[in-house]
Amino acid sequence: ETGVTQTPRHLVMGMTNKKSLKCEQHLGHNAMYWYKQSAKKPLELMFVYNFKEQTENNSVPSRFSPECPNSSHLFLHLHTLQPEDSALYLCASSFIGGILESGYTFGSGTRLTVV
Amino acid sequence: GQQVMQIPQYQHVQEGEDFTTYCNSSTTLSNIQWYKQRPGGHPVFLIQLVKSGEVKKQKRLTFQFGEAKKNSSLHITATQTTDVGTYFCAGPHSGGSNYKLTFGKGTLLTVNP
Repeated sequence: ETGVTQTPRHLVMGMTNKKSLKCEQHLGHNAMYWYKQSAKKPLELMFVYNFKEQTENNSVPSRFSPECPNSSHLFLHLHTLQPEDSALYLCASSFIGGILESGYTFGSGTRLTVV
Repeated sequence: GQQVMQIPQYQHVQEGEDFTTYCNSSTTLSNIQWYKQRPGGHPVFLIQLVKSGEVKKQKRLTFQFGEAKKNSSLHITATQTTDVGTYFCAGPHSGGSNYKLTFGKGTLLTVNP
């Protein structure tokens, strides 16, 4: 257990479905992130939340919609995805600000397959 | 935009051999971080280097940050099968704060027992 919990671990969805990925951290971190990991590509930053405020949206298509209701929870809502969106979606958290800035703690990821 | 390049992309070694992966940034970094991802797993934070020329060791792993703070290396002495995985370096986007990292593509290390 990493301290960052992601559910579900695996998800298969059709292109017309709507689903949500959930991430929860109990590390007292104040920033949370969604990354996409595809084969043979670097980890791609999708969204950043700093103190519940979205500070980054890396030109992510609108079929991905993040939600951060509090500093411990992060969601990624998915709708009308494409097969090329199949990937490992990783949630991470960290502490930012001052001398306590830390590396990321990643969750175990959700392996998403779009059919 | 900022780019972080890693070489080699793959490295296969015999158990007991040494291994080194190199990371180069297109811009000066305020710090550099290293992560390890086991096959089928998720990235795990290993270390952060902040100072120019800094060298840190974790058992058989030696991490180095270049004098110009644009490159870094990870060296593993006498590899073991438990070292198998992909090693990523990552640096902050411009602005210096940790909170938006650019990752390299990683070096996949396989070890033949």
